[in-house]
Amino acid sequence: AQSVTQLGSHVSVSEGALVLLRCNYSSSVPPYLFWYVQYPNQGLQLLLKYTSAATLVKGINGFEAEFKKSETSFHLTKPSAHMSDAAEYFCAVSDPGGSNYKLTFGKGTLLTVNP
Amino acid sequence: EAQVTQNPRYLITVTGKKLTVTCSQNMNHEYMSWYRQDPGLGLRQIYYSMNVEVTDKGDVPEGYKVSRKEKRNFPLILESPSPNQTSLYFCASSFGAGGVNEQFFGPGTRLTVL
Repeated sequence: AQSVTQLGSHVSVSEGALVLLRCNYSSSVPPYLFWYVQYPNQGLQLLLKYTSAATLVKGINGFEAEFKKSETSFHLTKPSAHMSDAAEYFCAVSDPGGSNYKLTFGKGTLLTVNP
Repeated sequence: EAQVTQNPRYLITVTGKKLTVTCSQNMNHEYMSWYRQDPGLGLRQIYYSMNVEVTDKGDVPEGYKVSRKEKRNFPLILESPSPNQTSLYFCASSFGAGGVNEQFFGPGTRLTVL
């Protein structure tokens, strides 16, 4: 079964600093990969997704993620954190051997941005 | 406005009392799914539906039922709720497969089972 590991359940950065949220997946076959964001008391919304078209994926709000097959990683970055980026971030991966109907989420990383 | 709606948003109930959480989307999406979110565990998929009358189990289906009689609705049924089903529940929908396409999430239903 597919699995996703997000390193660090809580990341704290200063406003203006680099944001780096880590995600590793278990499959040897490149799956579809997603980053979703959950703002307080809201549902999740898509930040970006990887579908094998390009290894560097740009998303909304200045976020981007790089797919590295050799490291089975899909880390999320943003050059300069803003207070409004404070939220919980989830990495998710589809099941490459299945029908692409199932999505497995990581446990999430809570991002705190300090003034 | 394109959206996924869930009702109720908050529910406190007692063990064994059947309940239904409704989910409706107005985007004509084929795919719908239910997730539960628990602290430290992230989101786990309960059930999903590829289209009307087509449903399948996710990773944690025990204790839940679903039905998809209409394209827009995908209710989650707990026939005999237990305290371990206390959680935050999200419904989501997408065009095509949810593992490939962007899923749109509802606002969540916070369920407490006493």
